[in-house]
Amino acid sequence: GENVEQHPSTLSVQEGDSAVIKCTYSDSASNYFPWYKQELGKRPQLIIDIRSNVGEKKDQRIAVTLNKTAKHFSLHITETQPEDSAVYFCAVYSGGGADGLTFGKGTHLIIQP
Amino acid sequence: KAGVTQTPRYLIKTRGQQVTLSCSPISGHRSVSWYQQTPGQGLQFLFEYFSETQRNKGNFPGRFSGRQFSNSRSEMNVSTLELGDSALYLCASSLAAGGSNTGELFFGEGSRLTVL
Repeated sequence: GENVEQHPSTLSVQEGDSAVIKCTYSDSASNYFPWYKQELGKRPQLIIDIRSNVGEKKDQRIAVTLNKTAKHFSLHITETQPEDSAVYFCAVYSGGGADGLTFGKGTHLIIQP
Repeated sequence: KAGVTQTPRYLIKTRGQQVTLSCSPISGHRSVSWYQQTPGQGLQFLFEYFSETQRNKGNFPGRFSGRQFSNSRSEMNVSTLELGDSALYLCASSLAAGGSNTGELFFGEGSRLTVL
């Protein structure tokens, strides 16, 4: 099945700085790559996603880049704010879908004031 | 539009017992997925149902089972509970059933199971 690795597990940045979280995957047939944000005690929510026919996607302060050849994708958050503090999960959906959506183990992003 | 509803929100069981968790998806969503969330392992896929059929199953033992009803509501059951089954069980619904049309998952607040 699909194997997704996410790094780092914890990331602490100063407010206003940028944060980058990276995920690698194993199945070259994977075609959908969402990112979910989970605030403390709350449910995960989709913040951005990208499909395999696109290399980059932006939505205000967040962006996702995909390198299909290297089988990795990254979440970029610019001008970080206190409300960005949360756990971020990357996920991968294989073309065959046999494993459902495979999630990374998560990155705890801490925004230091 | 009401969100994904899971019941019960909290429950405590003892080893060897069984438990049934319920999930009501967003109206119009026909796909329901279940995930187990633990601090060390993140979100692990249990199974996905679409139109009352199990489409995908994760790498969990046969003690974990589920079903979906004609109104898209879903239940999951865990039999012969073990201490390691303590976790937050999240249900998510979506319009799509996977593949190239995969779309956003809408999660419920989860059912927190503690096994003593």
